[in-house]
Amino acid sequence: GDSVTQMEGPVTLSEEAFLTINCTYTATGYPSLFWYVQYPGEGLQLLLKATKADDKGSNKGFEATYRKETTSFHLEKGSVQVSDSAVYFCAFFPLSGAGSYQLTFGKGTKLSVIP
Amino acid sequence: DTAVSQTPKYLVTQMGNDKSIKCEQNLGHDTMYWYKQDSKKFLKIMFSYNNKELIINETVPNRFSPKSPDKAHLNLHINSLELGDSAVYFCASSQESYGRQGTEKLFFGSGTQLSVL
Repeated sequence: GDSVTQMEGPVTLSEEAFLTINCTYTATGYPSLFWYVQYPGEGLQLLLKATKADDKGSNKGFEATYRKETTSFHLEKGSVQVSDSAVYFCAFFPLSGAGSYQLTFGKGTKLSVIP
Repeated sequence: DTAVSQTPKYLVTQMGNDKSIKCEQNLGHDTMYWYKQDSKKFLKIMFSYNNKELIINETVPNRFSPKSPDKAHLNLHINSLELGDSAVYFCASSQESYGRQGTEKLFFGSGTQLSVL
């Protein structure tokens, strides 16, 4: 069935390091893809999204490109900050399904950035 | 103004009790959701309402009953609480049902941490 898989954490990086969090999906067609971020003690917030192949979503220095060839949507940031410490969720909206459409989340990757 | 607010933030209760979590959104959205996040941060949708009508009802014990008195509110009532119900419950809203566009973003509340003793 439709699913999304993201790299397991936790991930610990030093400030200004390069970040990659891998995300791949299995779905029928070309679903919309999202990255959500959950800061400590808060709800999830949309970080970026891409709705079609080769689209690049970007926000707050984070980027992710919709790659249909590899069914991936990896999250990257060139230089992380302590304030980026959070849990990151890859998500997609499957276009198929028995009428029960829902945003499907990966299991989350916890990022800790140390000074 | 908080866009999606849910109360209480923390809820500690004994097994077998009945409790409710309230959620309100002031964004004028048509669709509201309840998600459950377990201790490993895994998020799973429980219910979705569009204009007070139930549109998604995942495999959730019938001890859980959502109620939507109007499209700005979606409350979650839980009967006969069990240890396994301990989790963080998130309310969310979006402008439209995902079944229509698939591009709308969700706005989440800050969560209710439920601990069943």
